[in-house]
Amino acid sequence: EIVLTQSPGTLSLSPGERATLSCRASQSVSGSYLAWYQQKPGQAPRLLIYGASSRATGIPVRFSGSGSGTDFTLTISRLEPEDFAVYYCQQYGSSPWTFGQGTMVEIK
Amino acid sequence: EVQLLESGGGLIQPGGSLRLSCAASGFTFSSYAMSWVRQAPGKGLEWVSIFSGSGDSTYYADSVKGRFTISRDNSKNTLYLQMNSLRAEDTAVYYCVKSAEQWLVRGLVDYWGQGTLVTVSS
Repeated sequence: EIVLTQSPGTLSLSPGERATLSCRASQSVSGSYLAWYQQKPGQAPRLLIYGASSRATGIPVRFSGSGSGTDFTLTISRLEPEDFAVYYCQQYGSSPWTFGQGTMVEIK
Repeated sequence: EVQLLESGGGLIQPGGSLRLSCAASGFTFSSYAMSWVRQAPGKGLEWVSIFSGSGDSTYYADSVKGRFTISRDNSKNTLYLQMNSLRAEDTAVYYCVKSAEQWLVRGLVDYWGQGTLVTVSS
């Protein structure tokens, strides 16, 4: 099973700032099959990024993903008020498909 | 518009059974693998089980293998999860989710239901 470790656990930033979230895998993620999801309180997650760097339909360009192998990054270029949420990475290249423990982006 | 509507959650005693249902609409149900993903209160996400669109493949997380059974009825556009021998650690919101990739049995999710809460407690 591939274990995903996200860091930091919590990121305290102000609107307009840049957010950089990390996701490290215990072994190489085949095909860069790495996704990022956003979850707000009381809501289901929403797909942001798939294939490590492709934005899902309707996702603003301020969200970008990068990385390969075992190290992946989600970047939010300029935080909007609606971006404060929990973010999860997920690998979907090898069963069982696993999620990271999440990074909370909170308002500073 | 894709819609996934879960039902069947509730309070159940340890050792009991429960069946969750998920009514899907807005897409060709039989063309996509469907899964259940759960989230314990205040915790992260855990993929539970997947069922291929064609009906020939199922997979389970080790934590539920032998206790949970996933099934689907493509004529009714409905996904099910039969949960037996429930434990306190099964307490979670259970999400019905649609695979993003047609025909592939892979865990990339593009649509989530709103979830149904299962509480296992005496």
